[in-house]
Amino acid sequence: NAGVMQNPRHLVRRRGQEARLRCSPMKGHSHVYWYRQLPEEGLKFMVYLQKENIIDESGMPKERFSAEFPKEGPSILRIQQVVRGDSAAYFCASSLDRVANYGYTFGSGTRLTVV
Amino acid sequence: GQNIDQPTEMTATEGAIVQINCTYQTSGFNGLFWYQQHAGEAPTFLSYNVLDGLEEKGRFSSFLSRSKGYSYLLLKELQMKDSASYLCAVRDANNAGNMLTFGGGTRLMVKP
Repeated sequence: NAGVMQNPRHLVRRRGQEARLRCSPMKGHSHVYWYRQLPEEGLKFMVYLQKENIIDESGMPKERFSAEFPKEGPSILRIQQVVRGDSAAYFCASSLDRVANYGYTFGSGTRLTVV
Repeated sequence: GQNIDQPTEMTATEGAIVQINCTYQTSGFNGLFWYQQHAGEAPTFLSYNVLDGLEEKGRFSSFLSRSKGYSYLLLKELQMKDSASYLCAVRDANNAGNMLTFGGGTRLMVKP
């Protein structure tokens, strides 16, 4: 039973390019959460999705960032026109339901570097 | 909103005991979690407290006092591999997704 799969592990983009980060939740999990972690800092919530729905995007910047979790396929976090400040580790987590008492299972993250 | 505080760094000696404190303020407390994160890796779940008291799991224990908004993670018989960041996170019942809000993490260095 594979865990939460994120790819790519490392992504380098030039300023102004687009970054697409993918997350496949654990089998049977329909709740996906995206977090961002800047160097030497804690995890900051970005967006919470269920299949085909964005439930809470209060932590996601209004411009350039978008997320989806289609009926088929992985969840995608998309960053358009990347800037140096977007360089961070982006972690995806999934849970079986919204009241999970084991918290989340995190993927290994995508480390985005903007040059 | 939520506010979670934990020390930025701690140092301890191999074989010793270390306590990492976490204080929080939240409007709808619904559980406190501790995660371990090694450098460059994903956070991994350590413990969950929702009622007051101590939860013990091997060398790791976690304590919660809801009235004080306080928790600690206790690590016994420290090993070099315990060098990592320890993240305190609180779940808020007032948000739609029961999202976890994380503190900044405590970087623990275990020395021989």
